[in-house]
This record gives sequence, C-alpha cells and structure tokens, in this order.
Amino acid sequence: KAGVTQTPRYLIKTRGQQVTLSCSPISGHRSVSWYQQTPGQGLQFLFEYFSETQRNKGNFPGRFSGRQFSNSRSEMNVSTLELGDSALYLCASSLVADGSYEQYFGPGTRLTVT
Amino acid sequence: EDKVVQSPLSLVVHEGDTVTLNCSYEVTNFRSLLWYKQEKKAPTFLFMLTSSGIEKKSGRLSSILDKKELFSILNITATQTGDSAIYLCAVDVGSGGYQKVTFGTGTKLQVIP
Repeated sequence: KAGVTQTPRYLIKTRGQQVTLSCSPISGHRSVSWYQQTPGQGLQFLFEYFSETQRNKGNFPGRFSGRQFSNSRSEMNVSTLELGDSALYLCASSLVADGSYEQYFGPGTRLTVT
Repeated sequence: EDKVVQSPLSLVVHEGDTVTLNCSYEVTNFRSLLWYKQEKKAPTFLFMLTSSGIEKKSGRLSSILDKKELFSILNITATQTGDSAIYLCAVDVGSGGYQKVTFGTGTKLQVIP
C-alpha cells in the first residue's frame, strides 16, 4: 500500500505571496490532518479534514486554509506569506474507524519564505 | 488548552544503555496516546495506547499508559545508534469521526557508540 505523499517537497517563496501544498492520503484513509513543524514550536496542529469537511482547527490565523476533495486528497493554502511561515508542513492520514486512529505522516513540504 | 509535556528535552546515552522517556498530558477529551519516532524526515508511528496498565511492545521498545496519573513512558532497552532520533508523544483529543492530535515538543535522544 502506498504511503502518504506530499507535493512539492521543497518550496521557496517571497513574503506576500501565496502557496498551495498538496497531500494524498493512504488509500482508504478519510481523515487528513495538517501540521506545521518549526524548531521552536515543535509540531502544531493546523486542521483536520474528514469526508471533505473541516472538523477541527488549531490556533492559526485565517491566512491558513485548506480543503479536501472527494477522493480524500487535501490541499493547504497559505496566503500573504510571512517570514515566520517558514517551516516543515506535514500532513498525516488515518482511517478513523473501528479504533484505528493511528496517523501516518507524509514526507513533508519544506517551505522557505524569504 | 490541551497540553502535552515531554521530558527530558534531550538525552545522550551510550550504546547498550536503557532509556525511559516521559510524557504527561492535560487534555479535555482523551481518546488515545501516540508515540512517534522522527529522524530526518516525517514522524513514524510507534505505538497507540488507549488503556491503562497494558504494555505495548515492539522489539526493544515498549510503552505503557497511566490514565489516572495522566502520563506515559516509552522504554528503549539495549539502545543502538540507530535509535538516535526525536521521540514525539501526542494525544488524540478527537471524538467520534473527528481527529485532533496535540503533540509534545519531543525528546531528542542521541546514542553514542
């Protein structure tokens, strides 16, 4: 079974631009969660999508948004990029059924904002 | 606010040593506690714990949860240099079909030969 894939793997943007990151979950997984990882803050929860609906959201500004498609693929968008948005963005998928709540992570997208 | 605290923040041991990593939590709605290992890439899943007192084991790694005292430990016996990584503890505070996972900042383990 293929794992979680994320594209692109690396991205360099300038302040003020916007960016869209993509995540394809493990086949059959309906839940996709997004995280931001920085050296200072660790892994911070951004949001979770389940069956095309955002179910939970972390404490991030409205510049961070996302969506999920009917095939469970998810995209995350960050508008008006700031230097502090430089981070590793990880997505994780899980089955969320019958007690299976383990999350499996993709390789991440390393975003650098200059 | 949900909180997951790991200790120690970092640890250096020699090959063959046994280490114990700690994770305590304070959350509104506990569903499960998860341990991950992160090397220079995405975290890889180690264990999911939902019940107190039941040890989960995988090779030299084991973990146990205490839901009364709100903590978990991860033990690694006979450590090897390949165990060097950041170990992340997380708590799933979701319910029903929701999933919301709060992570600790991790324990950085370095195993030296």
